[in-house]
Amino acid sequence: SYVLTQPPSVSVAPGQTATITCAGDNIGSYTVHWYQQEPGQAPVLVVYDDSDRPSGIPERFSGSNSGDTATLSISRVEAGDEAAYYCQVWDGTSGRRGVFGGGTKLTV
Amino acid sequence: EVKLVESGGGFVQPGRSLRLSCAASGFSFENYAMHWVRQAPGKGLEWVSGISGTGGRVDFADSMQGRFIISRDNAKNSLHLQMNSLRPEDTALYYCTKDIHNYGSEIPAFDLWGQGTLVTVSS
Repeated sequence: SYVLTQPPSVSVAPGQTATITCAGDNIGSYTVHWYQQEPGQAPVLVVYDDSDRPSGIPERFSGSNSGDTATLSISRVEAGDEAAYYCQVWDGTSGRRGVFGGGTKLTV
Repeated sequence: EVKLVESGGGFVQPGRSLRLSCAASGFSFENYAMHWVRQAPGKGLEWVSGISGTGGRVDFADSMQGRFIISRDNAKNSLHLQMNSLRPEDTALYYCTKDIHNYGSEIPAFDLWGQGTLVTVSS
């Protein structure tokens, strides 16, 4: 089955840009979604279809995907961005299966 | 208000069954695929199962195949997950989620989540 690998933690100072990676074999051929989850809360979709933002998500959140790495970038990081972030793809090699990365805890 | 509300969680012994439900409101339920995603205590997210808007297509994670059944009632705007032969490793918060793409997509993204219902499997 397809595996997505994320760093367990990323630290960034307020106002700087946070970069969270999601590695997978030729992930550039997949479509990647990103979710933010604050402690005790349900996840929130922040980027979908590699680089689109749902309504209400600030432009500070952006996504890219190429080769073996997809990236979520958060510019001008704020304290409120501190959360866990998960990448997700769909593996269609044997039926359609949703696959999540292990998650990255962003500390601001 | 657009929302999803799960119910049906609880404490159950291994090998027993449980049926989860999700009540949807505020959007055209029949136009969207719906999914279940779970999260074990202190762990990450795990996709469980999904069903198309018409109910004609269902997908399951390998570890749930043959044990779980997903269904929907579009007349009642409700989603269900019948969980059989439960195992301790099924212990998790189960979220009901909606696909952002209407009329189906091969790559669903979950733009609406409920608050989850907790399932605990233990003897």
